[in-house]
Amino acid sequence: EAGVTQFPSHSVIEKGQTVTLRCDPISGHDNLYWYRRVMGKEIKFLLHFVKESKQDESGMPNNRFLAERTGGTYSTLKVQPAELEDSGVYFCASSRTLWERGSSGNTIYFGEGSWLTVV
Amino acid sequence: GIQVEQSPPDLILQEGANSTLRCNFSDSVNNLQWFHQNPWGQLINLFYIPSGTKQNGRLSATTVATERYSLLYISSSQTTDSGVYFCAVRSRGKLVFGAGTILRVKS
Repeated sequence: EAGVTQFPSHSVIEKGQTVTLRCDPISGHDNLYWYRRVMGKEIKFLLHFVKESKQDESGMPNNRFLAERTGGTYSTLKVQPAELEDSGVYFCASSRTLWERGSSGNTIYFGEGSWLTVV
Repeated sequence: GIQVEQSPPDLILQEGANSTLRCNFSDSVNNLQWFHQNPWGQLINLFYIPSGTKQNGRLSATTVATERYSLLYISSSQTTDSGVYFCAVRSRGKLVFGAGTILRVKS
């Protein structure tokens, strides 16, 4: 079974440019999450999709960030225009339906992250 | 919201030493996971452990849910164990992370 995959693994862009990060969750996982860790700080929740619907977007920092999940499959996170403070690692994660009991239902699996550097 | 506190914030070990990392959380949870972020930034899932004890090689974890804490044990540490260890608990559908413990293992 393939894990959560993210693309690109690294991206360096100039302030003011646009970057789009992509996440392919584990097949069959309805729940998809975006998190980020800016340098030296905590891993912070950004938003949560259940299938194609945004369940919780309370962690999105501002309207420069736009997340989509077309057809409930892969997801994209666009940052436009990028600012210096957006630099960090962006993680995508997925899990099965929340109400399933046992570790297979509750474990959240993370991708390897997308490093974003804004210069 | 739920608070997750990890200790110590950073730790330096000599290769071969053992260590215990702690995670305290402020409310009842039904999901707790330990992660290792390696020096390349990858976030590796170590344990899903809402209660009880699990072992995987040199690593083991124990969660005492009634007392709202979890412990991660690293035995015979190796330089490849270096990185940041995060504890995370699920609250309202999403994982809430602690600030992490930075571990450096010296050869």
